[in-house]
Amino acid sequence: QQQVKQSPQSLIVQKGGISIINCAYENTAFDYFPWYQQFPGKGPALLIAIRPDVSEKKEGRFTISFNKSAKQFSLHIMDSQPGDSATYFCAASINDYKLSFGAGTTVTVRA
Amino acid sequence: EAGVAQSPRYKIIEKRQSVAFWCNPISGHATLYWYQQILGQGPKLLIQFQNNGVVDDSQLPKDRFSAERLKGVDSTLKIQPAKLEDSAVYLCASSLRGAGQGYEQYFGPGTRLTVT
Repeated sequence: QQQVKQSPQSLIVQKGGISIINCAYENTAFDYFPWYQQFPGKGPALLIAIRPDVSEKKEGRFTISFNKSAKQFSLHIMDSQPGDSATYFCAASINDYKLSFGAGTTVTVRA
Repeated sequence: EAGVAQSPRYKIIEKRQSVAFWCNPISGHATLYWYQQILGQGPKLLIQFQNNGVVDDSQLPKDRFSAERLKGVDSTLKIQPAKLEDSAVYLCASSLRGAGQGYEQYFGPGTRLTVT
């Protein structure tokens, strides 16, 4: 049973555009929501994370928006660059324990 | 700082054969994780160690999978016998702290297993 549902499966964006990836969860006990970036042949790497006591967190061109009532959170990549082309995974856990990952979104940034 | 090391990077075996993967975590990291990532899916936790003790192995198919972390440092994951559905990338990760204390997981490059 997938605890975190991620969409879209893939997206293509032009250089300089905005990429938006959405995730939804059911378990209201989740209290840690990280996003991971994975390049081909590499392991996932933590990109940015948020806890449910804030509605938004920004780090450079990457922003997480969190909607606790809707049980949804999203990743926005502003000014997308070709180097951002990768697979992005959302995840969720309780007390930083046992991450449940979404299925992933493959982002392609066209120059 | 050296990252999480894994070997081999690729392995092809026939079904019913056995295979072992090795992981060396970042120095000083107490917690070690093994994940299975099937193509097109997110990683799924198989087993989590805190030092050399098992914290969670609820999703480890114990009839064919086994893992150990001797001396609380490096770890091996074994599959015996392998099935076709075991074809996946096996990721090892480590974190400085234990569960419930806040962590960032650092992943290795993974071992891509193909079972024919």
